[in-house]
Amino acid sequence: AQTVTQSQPEMSVQEAETVTLSCTYDTSENNYYLFWYKQPPSRQMILVIRQEAYKQQNATENRFSVNFQKAAKSFSLKISDSQLGDTAMYFCAFGDSNYQLIWGAGTKLIIKP
Amino acid sequence: NAGVMQNPRHLVRRRGQEARLRCSPMKGHSHVYWYRQLPEEGLKFMVYLQKENIIDESGMPKERFSAEFPKEGPSILRIQQVVRGDSAAYFCASSPQRVGYAEAFFGQGTRLTVV
Repeated sequence: AQTVTQSQPEMSVQEAETVTLSCTYDTSENNYYLFWYKQPPSRQMILVIRQEAYKQQNATENRFSVNFQKAAKSFSLKISDSQLGDTAMYFCAFGDSNYQLIWGAGTKLIIKP
Repeated sequence: NAGVMQNPRHLVRRRGQEARLRCSPMKGHSHVYWYRQLPEEGLKFMVYLQKENIIDESGMPKERFSAEFPKEGPSILRIQQVVRGDSAAYFCASSPQRVGYAEAFFGQGTRLTVV
């Protein structure tokens, strides 16, 4: 069965710093998708970035980028120039040829002014 | 294009009552997924529906829980005879395709509190 592990329950950094959130997963599939979702205090689940496993190039969305290491089954999220509005829970999720999203337990990120 | 709409946002029920959670998917989306989030945890899959069909309900408890997505109207997650352990946030997501190949758009969730 697929599993997703986020080993950092909580992280905090100063505003404008760079922070990296880690995520590892386990699967026997070869084709799959990986996602990072952000859940601010409003509880809305917001897609931050998506990576397709067959693409070697790491996905980037403005200040957000990933380091996708397929062989190591690692999918970390880097947030550059962090802002106060980045404070939220961040969830890593895995989606394969099936339709379920398998979720990690989340990392609480606090950006300090 | 309105996002995924869930209502109510907050729902309080006494033990033994019924809870009905509604989800209106984004326009043009025919795939709906329900997830449950317990405090300090990630989301857990409950059920996947397409219009008028339940595709997979393997994550849903066999008793007291049911879901539907009728031809007209929102998807409904129904919990009968609620117990304290049902207290959680319930999220609905919709997509134009199966989630693995498209991003899923989430609603804001319904927080169910059983007292």
